[in-house]
Amino acid sequence: NAGVTQTPKFQVLKTGQSMTLQCAQDMNHNSMYWYRQDPGMGLRLIYYSASEGTTDKGEVPNGYNVSRLNKREFSLRLESAAPSQTSVYFCASSGTGPLDEQFFGPGTRLTVL
Amino acid sequence: RKEVEQDPGPFNVPEGATVAFNCTYSNSASQSFFWYRQDCRKEPKLLMSVYSSGNEDGRFTAQLNRASQYISLLIRDSKLSDSATYLCVVNTGGFKTIFGAGTRLFVKA
Repeated sequence: NAGVTQTPKFQVLKTGQSMTLQCAQDMNHNSMYWYRQDPGMGLRLIYYSASEGTTDKGEVPNGYNVSRLNKREFSLRLESAAPSQTSVYFCASSGTGPLDEQFFGPGTRLTVL
Repeated sequence: RKEVEQDPGPFNVPEGATVAFNCTYSNSASQSFFWYRQDCRKEPKLLMSVYSSGNEDGRFTAQLNRASQYISLLIRDSKLSDSATYLCVVNTGGFKTIFGAGTRLFVKA
């Protein structure tokens, strides 16, 4: 039982490049989330998926897109990376919604040059 | 004003000390409250939920004061392993969950 897994763990991009962050959970959770964490700030919600087949914008969605591929997988895509997207990205999942405990993946450390 | 505010610390305490953190929130309609713990360069993990009546889990006690719009976390008999950043988390309805920036705790021998 791996919980929430994320790939890659580290990534360096040049401005304008694109990439997809992958996330998968094996806990049969309905809800999944993407957050970013910057120094001195709390985690900020980028997008979430309340259940398979649905996605919605969070607090900071600009510059990102997401896909809920199936119940297990939720990917985050940066179409044209910018230095302002340098951050640590966490994927999380919860059983039925945000009032449940959220389980986080180990994070992806992204640097955009 | 931030929706969820925490004293960033750091709090430096000796082993065995009692330490308390407060967290204030601005939205009076906030419904659910949590404390998460985050070790250096690791993912956050749930420490405890915070209930209206207050709740305790071993050395940890969480309290909610709706009138003054703050939650607190008390750690008794601090251990070296308690060194971490403690995140205050508030749900204001639906999927709007706000994380505080965290309070750093260092417990020293």
